[in-house]
Amino acid sequence: AQRVTQPEKLLSVFKGAPVELKCNYSYSGSPELFWYVQYSRQRLQLLLRHISRESIKGFTADLNKGETSFHLKKPFAQEEDSAMYYCALIRPTGANSKLTFGKGITLSVRP
Amino acid sequence: NAGVTQTPKFRVLKTGQSMTLLCAQDMNHEYMYWYRQDPGMGLRLIHYSVGEGTTAKGEVPDGYNVSRLKKQNFLLGLESAAPSQTSVYFCASSSPTGQETQYFGPGTRLLVL
Repeated sequence: AQRVTQPEKLLSVFKGAPVELKCNYSYSGSPELFWYVQYSRQRLQLLLRHISRESIKGFTADLNKGETSFHLKKPFAQEEDSAMYYCALIRPTGANSKLTFGKGITLSVRP
Repeated sequence: NAGVTQTPKFRVLKTGQSMTLLCAQDMNHEYMYWYRQDPGMGLRLIHYSVGEGTTAKGEVPDGYNVSRLKKQNFLLGLESAAPSQTSVYFCASSSPTGQETQYFGPGTRLLVL
């Protein structure tokens, strides 16, 4: 069974500090990994996906198959980055594949 | 386009009462989902649907029923509400070719007393 683990519930940093939100997964094949974000009083939305290898709002995430990790990183945190972040996994093949979410982490960026 | 909308936004129920949450999407998506969000538990899938007239159980289906009579609507029903069902409920939709990009509704806050 596929599983996503976000080991921390809360990360609090000062503005300008580096951020790393940890995500580990368990899946026997080659999954697709994503990060979703939920800003205060807003709906959940896709932040980035590993297959795109893109940087969104200064965030990047590299899939490390050896460590089965997909950590989200940003070199300099901004106050507007404060939000709930969810790591998610989906099997790339198979009918009715569903997203499996981690439990989420709250990022708080202090001025 | 309105995207994914949910009705109502907030509701208070007494134990044993019933209610239906409505989710509507105007993106012609085949797939629709109901999640509940609880502190420390993250997002958990309740039920989902891969097309009109079809539904399937997710991770935490007990105490809930769903129906997908129309492609654009996905209803979540609580027949006899319990305090353990106090939560924020999110609906989402996606296309079969882009299942990972789920579009979420604004959520429904439900309090069961």
